[in-house]
Amino acid sequence: EPEVTQTPSHQVTQMGQEVILRCVPISNHLYFYWYRQILGQKVEFLVSFYNNEISEKSEIFDDQFSVERPDGSNFTLKIRSTKLEDSAMYFCASSEQATAYGYTFGSGTRLTVV
Amino acid sequence: DAKTTQPPSMDCAEGRAANLPCNHSTISGNEYVYWYRQIHSQGPQYIIHGLKNNETNEMASLIITEDRKSSTLILPHATLRDTAVYYCIADGSSNTGKLIFGQGTTLQVKP
Repeated sequence: EPEVTQTPSHQVTQMGQEVILRCVPISNHLYFYWYRQILGQKVEFLVSFYNNEISEKSEIFDDQFSVERPDGSNFTLKIRSTKLEDSAMYFCASSEQATAYGYTFGSGTRLTVV
Repeated sequence: DAKTTQPPSMDCAEGRAANLPCNHSTISGNEYVYWYRQIHSQGPQYIIHGLKNNETNEMASLIITEDRKSSTLILPHATLRDTAVYYCIADGSSNTGKLIFGQGTTLQVKP
């Protein structure tokens, strides 16, 4: 079964450093997403991306965050200057259509900011 | 998006049916009901969705009441691997595919 692949599985970074989280969505999917989950809290939407541009973003997704699809396969989330409160699991997801079913999520990157 | 209400936790004996309720009394006519689950901090996994009619797939069944104000996800023969947080989402207004997760129901399947 096709998978969404995320790397790295765990990243530790110092406060103020830039991090890039990487995702390889399913090859025939056109819609891409990032979500995050702070430990013990619910899964929160960050951003959706289609046709090489952001289609929707949440209040969490401020100027410190950016997304990019640098080539035909990767989808990245960059946090420019990490804060302690950015520590969370970050999930990438992709889907064929812009509907709430048929998503495939990756297994996540655990980001720890120290 | 319609607000959904789920019990915070439930137990189920292995091999028995697990019935997970969800209340979505403010759901509008074009909003679907979706169910996802999350096994121990893995990425959420799509289970099933429906609009008005009951639905069944290889994972589960979804029963939606006639007034669409509530629904029940049924796992017919729960196994230990079904222990997870189950999320009921009522959605249909977004054309970007955004999912709004609540706190969900933690289902513990016991031997």
